[in-house]
Amino acid sequence: AQSVTQPDIHITVSEGASLELRCNYSYGATPYLFWYVQSPGQGLQLLLKYFSGDTLVQGIKGFEAEFKRSQSSFNLRKPSVHWSDAAEYFCAVAPSGGYQKVTFGTGTKLQVIP
Amino acid sequence: GAVVSQHPSWVICKSGTSVKIECRSLDFQATTMFWYRQFPKQSLMLMATSNEGSKATYEQGVEKDKFLINHASLTLSTLTVTSAHPEDSSFYICSAREGQDGETQYFGPGTRLLVL
Repeated sequence: AQSVTQPDIHITVSEGASLELRCNYSYGATPYLFWYVQSPGQGLQLLLKYFSGDTLVQGIKGFEAEFKRSQSSFNLRKPSVHWSDAAEYFCAVAPSGGYQKVTFGTGTKLQVIP
Repeated sequence: GAVVSQHPSWVICKSGTSVKIECRSLDFQATTMFWYRQFPKQSLMLMATSNEGSKATYEQGVEKDKFLINHASLTLSTLTVTSAHPEDSSFYICSAREGQDGETQYFGPGTRLLVL
């Protein structure tokens, strides 16, 4: 079975600083990978996804993520954080080759300070 | 992007009553919808997978008689929490799988349930 680890429960960055949120997965083959963002009291919004091809994926709101097979990682990055980026971020994984259950990480809460 | 709505967004009910939550895909047809439960400061826990026109598939430990799921059309799935108790208080989120790539889930805004 697949699993997802988000090592950082809480991260604080200054507005304008760069951001990297870590995600490691465990799966026997190349999975489908996702990053979602959740604002307080809201549902989840898809930021980006990786299925195959270019390992650097561009998403909405200026986010990008890079799939690194050798490290079993799919870290989320943004070069310059805005105060509106404060939210909870979830990495998720699903087996490739036909739909199966998506597994979510435990989330990383991002705080942005002025 | 694909839009999923949920109704109601907030519900408060008395213990012992039943509550129905609707999940709709607004601009696409969803053959599969999912129901999640999220406890405070925790990740999403999949409760069940709902396929249009067939019985839902429940995850281990989720009571199917407690959480009734109906997926009567390609754009609507409902979750009914029967005989709700305070421990059922939670944030319930649905998602719908878009058919185009078949692998991406789009989430509703969630329903916060408080059982008194």
